[in-house]
Amino acid sequence: QQPVQSPQAVILREGEDAVINCSSSKALYSVHWYRQKHGEAPVFLMILLKGGEQKGHDKISASFNEKKQQSSLYLTASQLSYSGTYFCGTEIRGNKLVFGAGTILRVKS
Amino acid sequence: DTAVSQTPKYLVTQMGNDKSIKCEQNLGHDTMYWYKQDSKKFLKIMFSYNNKELIINETVPNRFSPKSPDKAHLNLHINSLELGDSAVYFCASSRGPRYEQYFGPGTRLTVT
Repeated sequence: QQPVQSPQAVILREGEDAVINCSSSKALYSVHWYRQKHGEAPVFLMILLKGGEQKGHDKISASFNEKKQQSSLYLTASQLSYSGTYFCGTEIRGNKLVFGAGTILRVKS
Repeated sequence: DTAVSQTPKYLVTQMGNDKSIKCEQNLGHDTMYWYKQDSKKFLKIMFSYNNKELIINETVPNRFSPKSPDKAHLNLHINSLELGDSAVYFCASSRGPRYEQYFGPGTRLTVT
């Protein structure tokens, strides 16, 4: 049931773009994205709901393909502060989130 | 003001002991959660309460027992601690199951 995230890790230079993917083998009601910095708690970025509604962050965008059970997180013009581990959480049913293994993003100056 | 707080931040204890972690949220949320994050950073839900009612109870050993005295508090009691219980435990809250979750700072539990 755990969604699969790709890539596992990515290194960028400041100003570069990145895409993080999340896919599930089950039909999804919603996809959540969180970022966790080392030693800190996960912080909410984005929710994508079945039917197209999005709630999220002003500098980060995401897509949700309900038919393919996939979501992608788009980070544009990356900044040093974007570094961290990105988790997608998928809601299959039962109102619980199952998180992927995470994607480590490191932005270098 | 801290939105979701947990105590203690660090907990070091020996195998076989019983310990509790407390969580409080001042966001007025109806739903609260306990997550376990292991050494590989895998984040797994353990329990969820909605308006003090248990709605999610994952496959967690019976040694773990959550308690929600009111909507703003969710505590986690662990009996007979084992080495494998060592992890970071996060409390979180949200307006409801399909809303963003706000995580507490985490409690790093080390069992020796």
